[in-house]
Amino acid sequence: DTGVSQDPRHKITKRGQNVTFRCDPISEHNRLYWYRQTLGQGPEFLTYFQNEAQLEKSRLLSDRFSAERPKGSFSTLEIQRTEQGDSAMYLCASSTWDRGHNEQFFGPGTRLTVL
Amino acid sequence: LAKTTQPISMDSYEGQEVNITCSHNNIATNDYITWYQQFPSQGPRFIIQGYKTKVTNEVASLFIPADRKSSTLSLPRVSLSDTAVYYCLVVPGPDKLIFGTGTRLQVFP
Repeated sequence: DTGVSQDPRHKITKRGQNVTFRCDPISEHNRLYWYRQTLGQGPEFLTYFQNEAQLEKSRLLSDRFSAERPKGSFSTLEIQRTEQGDSAMYLCASSTWDRGHNEQFFGPGTRLTVL
Repeated sequence: LAKTTQPISMDSYEGQEVNITCSHNNIATNDYITWYQQFPSQGPRFIIQGYKTKVTNEVASLFIPADRKSSTLSLPRVSLSDTAVYYCLVVPGPDKLIFGTGTRLQVFP
C-alpha cells in the first residue's frame, strides 16, 4: 500500500455512459498525476496537477475527458460518452516537488471495461 | 524527452544476479535516470534513481557510465517475487513520466 487510493477499483459500463473515478493522494503531496495503461503497454501520461492547478494535459486527453482537483487534495477523472477504446487501467500517482527527485507513488488503479 | 531502449524480456533463475541495460543516447544534461517496477494489476513502484556513476539502495544498484548514454539496473540474487516488468525512464526532475514497454523479467525456480 503506497498511501494513494483509487475508487472504484473496477468499473464496467456500457458505451455512451459517463464514468467518474476518484483518486486520494498522499496528503502532503502537492502533485497529482493521471495515467492510462492498456494491456502490454507502459502507462501513458494523461494530465497532472500542482495543488489545484492543472498544469499539463496530454493530447491523448480528448474533450470527453476532464479532470479536477478542486481543493488541491483528491482528484476526479471523468470520461463522458465512453467508447470501447477507453477500456484500460487508469492510474493515479502523487508526489512532492523536489528538485532532482522524481519518485511518484502510484495507486492500485481503476480498471475500466466499456461494453 | 529522451527515448529509452531496453530488452523486451529476460529470464533468470532464483538466486542469480540480473542486469537490465537501458540505452538513452539523447539524454539531456538535466535528465535523471529512473527505474520503476510493476507487478500485474498494480501501479508501478519506484526502485532507484541516479544521475551518474553508481547508486545503490536496499533493492538494487544502478550503474551509469560517464557518457550517461546507457544505464544498467542490477538486481542481486533475484527471487520469484522479482518477476515483474521493469521500466527505465529519463526524466528532468519532478515531471510526468514517459514509460516505454519495459522489460518483462521472468524468474524461474
